[in-house]
Amino acid sequence: GENVEQHPSTLSVQEGDSAVIKCTYSDSASNYFPWYKQELGKRPQLIIDIRSNVGEKKDQRIAVTLNKTAKHFSLHITETQPEDSAVYFCAASIESGGSYIPTFGRGTSLIVHP
Amino acid sequence: EPEVTQTPSHQVTQMGQEVILRCVPISNHLYFYWYRQILGQKVEFLVSFYNNEISEKSEIFDDQFSVERPDGSNFTLKIRSTKLEDSAMYFCASSDGGGQHFGDGTRLSIL
Repeated sequence: GENVEQHPSTLSVQEGDSAVIKCTYSDSASNYFPWYKQELGKRPQLIIDIRSNVGEKKDQRIAVTLNKTAKHFSLHITETQPEDSAVYFCAASIESGGSYIPTFGRGTSLIVHP
Repeated sequence: EPEVTQTPSHQVTQMGQEVILRCVPISNHLYFYWYRQILGQKVEFLVSFYNNEISEKSEIFDDQFSVERPDGSNFTLKIRSTKLEDSAMYFCASSDGGGQHFGDGTRLSIL
């Protein structure tokens, strides 16, 4: 089955700096990669996703890149703000017929210091 | 914005008892999921449900688990005979074929 590794487990940055979280996956058939943000005690929220037919996607301060050959994908957050502090989970999945079952990474705890 | 709602927010149950966790997915969504998250760990897939039947399940989803969509709005997860290791946060999610939307979760505590 799919195996997703995520690094780092903890990331501490100053407000305004950039943050990068990296994930690798094992199943070359995976074609859909969502990223979730989970604040303490709250639900995971989908913040951005990328499909295997594109290499990069951007939404305001958040961008995701995908390297299918190397089987890794990354989340980039620019101009970080304290409210970006949360646990971020990457996931890899095979999207089929409108459904997908994500295999999650172990999460990265991002701390943005004001 | 429509949301997935889950009840109860916290359930405390004696080991060996049955529990039912309830979810109301977003109304026009067709795909439903249950996940669990043990404290401090990653989210783990349990089961997916589409067209009134289970479409996929993980090895965690053994015979003590079952899911049901008893009417047009609710989606339930039943754990027949709870064990201590079932203590976790259980999330329901739904999608219309795009990204999955999660509920706030039910914290299940087994004593």
